[in-house]
Amino acid sequence: AQSVSQHNHHVILSEAASLELGCNYSYGGTVNLFWYVQYPGQHLQLLLKYFSGDPLVKGIKGFEAEFIKSKFSFNLRKPSVQWSDTAEYFCAVNAQSTSGTYKYIFGTGTRLKVLA
Amino acid sequence: NAGVTQTPKFQVLKTGQSMTLQCAQDMNHNSMYWYRQDPGMGLRLIYYSASEGTTDKGEVPNGYNVSRLNKREFSLRLESAAPSQTSVYFCASIYATGVYEQYFGPGTRLTVT
Repeated sequence: AQSVSQHNHHVILSEAASLELGCNYSYGGTVNLFWYVQYPGQHLQLLLKYFSGDPLVKGIKGFEAEFIKSKFSFNLRKPSVQWSDTAEYFCAVNAQSTSGTYKYIFGTGTRLKVLA
Repeated sequence: NAGVTQTPKFQVLKTGQSMTLQCAQDMNHNSMYWYRQDPGMGLRLIYYSASEGTTDKGEVPNGYNVSRLNKREFSLRLESAAPSQTSVYFCASIYATGVYEQYFGPGTRLTVT
């Protein structure tokens, strides 16, 4: 079955530390990849997305992610986090089935807390 | 554009009561989704509607029904609420499945006592 794994459930960092959140998916076909962020008390918003082309994609607020096809991974990175990055981060995969339909699958999320 | 709107924002129900969560989008999106979010479990898909007139079950459909009233509106109904349905419910829409991202509503926090 298709799945998305986010191995870090809780991450605590100090401001200015570097961030890398892991995301692995299990699907061998065509995928579109997303990272969403949910700030406290708010709804999910898109951080960045990958469809094709350059596997290193840049998103809003200094975030970037790298698609490594051979590792089925799409890790999220930020060189220097800020207190305002405290949020929950969700990786998502939109996978195309053999019938041509797409299915959206979310990971379980990573809660990031940045200490001022 | 208001984007995706949901009503109500908060609701408390007693076990066995029924209610309908409303969702509307004004972005001319074709597909709409209902998710529930529970601590440590991420987002789980309840039902989705790939296009007007169609609905399909997601990962956790039991205890819920949906109606795609028209292209704009997609409602979620709890016929007989149970404490296990205490959750935050998010509606989302997407222009078309494939390469597009989902847009989420602000959520409905439901407590069933």
